[in-house]
Amino acid sequence: DTGVSQNPRHKITKRGQNVTFRCDPISEHNRLYWYRQTLGQGPEFLTYFQNEAQLEKSRLLSDRFSAERPKGSFSTLEIQRTEQGDSAMYLCASSNRQSSTDTQYFGPGTRLTVL
Amino acid sequence: SQKIEQNSEALNIQEGKTATLTCNYTNYSPAYLQWYRQDPGRGPVFLLLIRENEKEKRKERLKVTFDTTLKQSLFHITASQPADSATYLCALDSGGSYIPTFGRGTSLIVHP
Repeated sequence: DTGVSQNPRHKITKRGQNVTFRCDPISEHNRLYWYRQTLGQGPEFLTYFQNEAQLEKSRLLSDRFSAERPKGSFSTLEIQRTEQGDSAMYLCASSNRQSSTDTQYFGPGTRLTVL
Repeated sequence: SQKIEQNSEALNIQEGKTATLTCNYTNYSPAYLQWYRQDPGRGPVFLLLIRENEKEKRKERLKVTFDTTLKQSLFHITASQPADSATYLCALDSGGSYIPTFGRGTSLIVHP
């Protein structure tokens, strides 16, 4: 399968714990995005990378959220000191920006439940 | 403020009919608009992209129109099938930052 993969698919944690999610994009894609989606809403943009550079991170929900893409390949999203309001689906998408448009290919998501 | 509106009520139609979904936007000048399909518990899947200078785009049973005067896009599925049942999301992009803004989606239910 050469699509976007995310791990884990599900994560249950207790409030106050740290969690880390991984995203492996389509190999030839240079852009990688992170979104959060809650029930009944569309994906909400969090941050994105072009290669290893994080070009936009102002929309990360708080300073408890951070993301890395150390070698321009896979990426991780970390949430520190989780809160119940962090419970959501976290989606990763990748794209190959070579034109004036940018179509994104999404992974299956990681569903986070904070107890 | 920028706003994207998709009908929050589910659209119920009979198999074989044409489904029409609406995406309206305000305070936005999108360079292009995209439609995605999302099944429960899965990530969105890209369907169609239409640019601001295009009126209509087709792909198999799908058709998208884009009216920048009305600030509206319509998404049509002809000869609908129960397998078309899903949530359909529209996403707008101004073309500068390539960061799309998604609507909340509309649920389509096709009854056999």
